[in-house]
Amino acid sequence: DAGVIQSPRHEVTEMGQEVTLRCKPISGHNSLFWYRQTMMRGLELLIYFNNNVPIDDSGMPEDRFSAKMPNASFSTLKIQPSEPRDSAVYFCASSSTTGVDIGELFFGEGSRLTVL
Amino acid sequence: AQSVSQHNHHVILSEAASLELGCNYSYGGTVNLFWYVQYPGQHLQLLLKYFSGDPLVKGIKGFEAEFIKSKFSFNLRKPSVQWSDTAEYFCAVTGSSNTGKLIFGQGTTLQVKP
Repeated sequence: DAGVIQSPRHEVTEMGQEVTLRCKPISGHNSLFWYRQTMMRGLELLIYFNNNVPIDDSGMPEDRFSAKMPNASFSTLKIQPSEPRDSAVYFCASSSTTGVDIGELFFGEGSRLTVL
Repeated sequence: AQSVSQHNHHVILSEAASLELGCNYSYGGTVNLFWYVQYPGQHLQLLLKYFSGDPLVKGIKGFEAEFIKSKFSFNLRKPSVQWSDTAEYFCAVTGSSNTGKLIFGQGTTLQVKP
């Protein structure tokens, strides 16, 4: 299995620009999570989906952030407009609610975002 | 509120020293517990997990953790660390509904000196 795939791995953009981060979960996993990691705040859960439906978006910082999961194999996290304080590593993770790996999160390599 | 507290933010050890990283959680009901490791520049990987049964759990690379329900703790241990164990370690908890929604601690940075 290829694991959780994220793109881009690195993104440098200017304040005010739109940023779109992409994630392909592990095939067969039915839950998908977006986390943000910073030195100051550690790992924060932004939003998670179960069977493509957003379940909890209470961690989304503000309206500038939005996430979609149009199908079981793809999700996006969009920031519009971006601000310097959004600079962080964004991790996508997936899990299954059935099977031997139940409850375990599998993380992607992360997307490092720098907003100038 | 659900939370995870890791007592040590930064630990420095020499090779062959023993390691114990503290983790306490606040979570109502039955819990599942995890330790993840993040090597420099990499993503988080699972070290070990506890769902039920024997409260002493053995994971990869010689790590183990003990679940003590009465103390709401899940401390990570390794008898003899190696330079390659230099990484950040995260404790996490989720409810038994297994939705995968993990609550992470702030992490502990372990630096092992050769």
